[in-house]
Amino acid sequence: DTGVSQDPRHKITKRGQNVTFRCDPISEHNRLYWYRQTLGQGPEFLTYFQNEAQLEKSRLLSDRFSAERPKGSFSTLEIQRTEQGDSAMYLCASSLSPGGNVPYDTQYFGPGTRLTVL
Amino acid sequence: SQQGEEDPQALSIQEGENATMNCSYKTSINNLQWYRQNSGRGLVHLILIRSNEREKHSGRLRVTLDTSKKSSSLLITASRAADTASYFCATAPETSGSRLTFGEGTQLTVNP
Repeated sequence: DTGVSQDPRHKITKRGQNVTFRCDPISEHNRLYWYRQTLGQGPEFLTYFQNEAQLEKSRLLSDRFSAERPKGSFSTLEIQRTEQGDSAMYLCASSLSPGGNVPYDTQYFGPGTRLTVL
Repeated sequence: SQQGEEDPQALSIQEGENATMNCSYKTSINNLQWYRQNSGRGLVHLILIRSNEREKHSGRLRVTLDTSKKSSSLLITASRAADTASYFCATAPETSGSRLTFGEGTQLTVNP
């Protein structure tokens, strides 16, 4: 399967611990996105990269959150000093930037990482 | 914050019936997309409609867009038990940028 993959699928941690999630996008996609989804709600945008550049960040992305995409391929999302309110599903998506034969950057989502902070 | 609202929040129908879900949004858009999410899993892209389009079809799916009312609807015809899922609309901004803003979703249950 050459879709978007995320690791781990589930993470349980204690409040105050740091956690890191990984996302591997579809190989030819140059854009990568992170969203957060809480129970019963739609996903909320956190940040996105085009190649290795982080082009947009949501106000939801507090100082405790940092995302990287060092070589323009996989990305990591780190949450420092986790809080119970960080419990959510963290979704990664990838796309091709529009241009040429690509009219829109249709985003393809991974299965998500479910974080539980105790 | 969520861009818009979806209506109804939950819908329960029998197999073979049609399901209609509505979505409203607040700002000008470049396009509107519909996604499906099975319980606890990632989202699957269903269909995209551009701001200058009014209706689009894909298999059993029909999407309409009314930019004057800032609303869209998704119709699933001849529903199947496998269509049971949450359905989300998502808007892409008119201005540059790629963030999608999702609605709160409609939980569809198709009973066999």
